[in-house]
Amino acid sequence: DADVTQTPRNRITKTGKRIMLECSQTKGHDRMYWYRQDPGLGLQLIYYSFDVKDINKGEISDGYSVSRQAQAKFSLSLESAIPNQTALYFCATSDSGASGGAVDTQYFGPGTRLTVL
Amino acid sequence: DQQVKQNSPSLSVQEGRISILNCDYTNSMFDYFLWYKKYPAEGPTFLISISSIKDKNEDGRFTVFLNKSAKHLSLHIVPSQPGDSAVYFCAASARRGAQKLVFGQGTRLTINP
Repeated sequence: DADVTQTPRNRITKTGKRIMLECSQTKGHDRMYWYRQDPGLGLQLIYYSFDVKDINKGEISDGYSVSRQAQAKFSLSLESAIPNQTALYFCATSDSGASGGAVDTQYFGPGTRLTVL
Repeated sequence: DQQVKQNSPSLSVQEGRISILNCDYTNSMFDYFLWYKKYPAEGPTFLISISSIKDKNEDGRFTVFLNKSAKHLSLHIVPSQPGDSAVYFCAASARRGAQKLVFGQGTRLTINP
């Protein structure tokens, strides 16, 4: 079974619709992240959470919101989807205690391909 | 402002030869660097990392070199195999900073038989 799962894997929606992408992990990690990937731009950080009560904006948070429902669950919402939010979305996790340092290896889910028409 | 840059969008290498992927960064606060590999329809997977206290880290066929004065790192794959065909992302972070990874744009590596 996958350690980091994302649902749905593919979604087509219309402009103005609200949509939620969900991420679950069984790795027991405390840190979770949401990224988007656009062609030629690599991965850009949308939001991150270091524990259930901690939510932080990333580089491109406008138009997005998140909810950390439990240590294992981190969802991303688009309140009113627009076409330029068409992208590949990845959830990732990391363990703050793994190496004892401030940065740890991030483990990614398989991604959600979102198309906004 | 692209703090981590991979200037080659694609690279094609013959099987058995060496693949060299390059990455440049601009933020002098970065002191931890990682390479990720991504296959189609999958998420990126961690490949190898290096701390700024080192200039080389090796793991099997994969070696990462760091040149801090030039703010440049490279990933060497020797020998290259068809299964190495993927998109490779370099990422950087500051251990004492915001604890976030900044990714490059990626390089698509194709290994030809």
